[in-house]
Amino acid sequence: KAGVTQTPRYLIKTRGQQVTLSCSPISGHRSVSWYQQTPGQGLQFLFEYFSETQRNKGNFPGRFSGRQFSNSRSEMNVSTLELGDSALYLCASSQGANTGELFFGEGSRLTVL
Amino acid sequence: GENVEQHPSTLSVQEGDSAVIKCTYSDSASNYFPWYKQELGKRPQLIIDIRSNVGEKKDQRIAVTLNKTAKHFSLHITETQPEDSAVYFCAAPSSGSARQLTFGSGTQLTVLP
Repeated sequence: KAGVTQTPRYLIKTRGQQVTLSCSPISGHRSVSWYQQTPGQGLQFLFEYFSETQRNKGNFPGRFSGRQFSNSRSEMNVSTLELGDSALYLCASSQGANTGELFFGEGSRLTVL
Repeated sequence: GENVEQHPSTLSVQEGDSAVIKCTYSDSASNYFPWYKQELGKRPQLIIDIRSNVGEKKDQRIAVTLNKTAKHFSLHITETQPEDSAVYFCAAPSSGSARQLTFGSGTQLTVLP
């Protein structure tokens, strides 16, 4: 069974630009969560989608948004990029039960110059 | 929301010794406590989890203990090996959802040969 796939793996943007990251969950998984990982703040929850609906949202500004498609694939978008948005963005899928393993992708490493 | 504190931030042990990492959480309603291992440049992977209806769970050389009264849980690794070297994260659910995890700040474990 294929794992969680994230694209692109690496990208460089400049301040003020916007970026879209993509995540394909494990087949059959209906929940997709996004996390931001930085050396200073660690792993922080961004949002979670289940059956195309945003179920939970972390404490991030409105510049961070996402969506989920009918095939459970998810995208997240960051607009008006700031230097502090440089991070590893991790997507995780799960079957959807309230307790259970998150399967993480390799992440998309965003550098904002 | 949930607050998770993790100690120590770094831990060095000799191969064959035991390692213990401790976490505390704030939300008494939390009922699921996973531990993730992240090797350098790799994705976080679940190594063990515990639910609040048990006090201890073992899986070969890894064990997790939970004290709900004190609101803390610990990871124990026995007979450490060099391949155990990684960053370990504890986590607890926010808003009652295991798909929205609050992670501890991580422990860099180094096993010296």
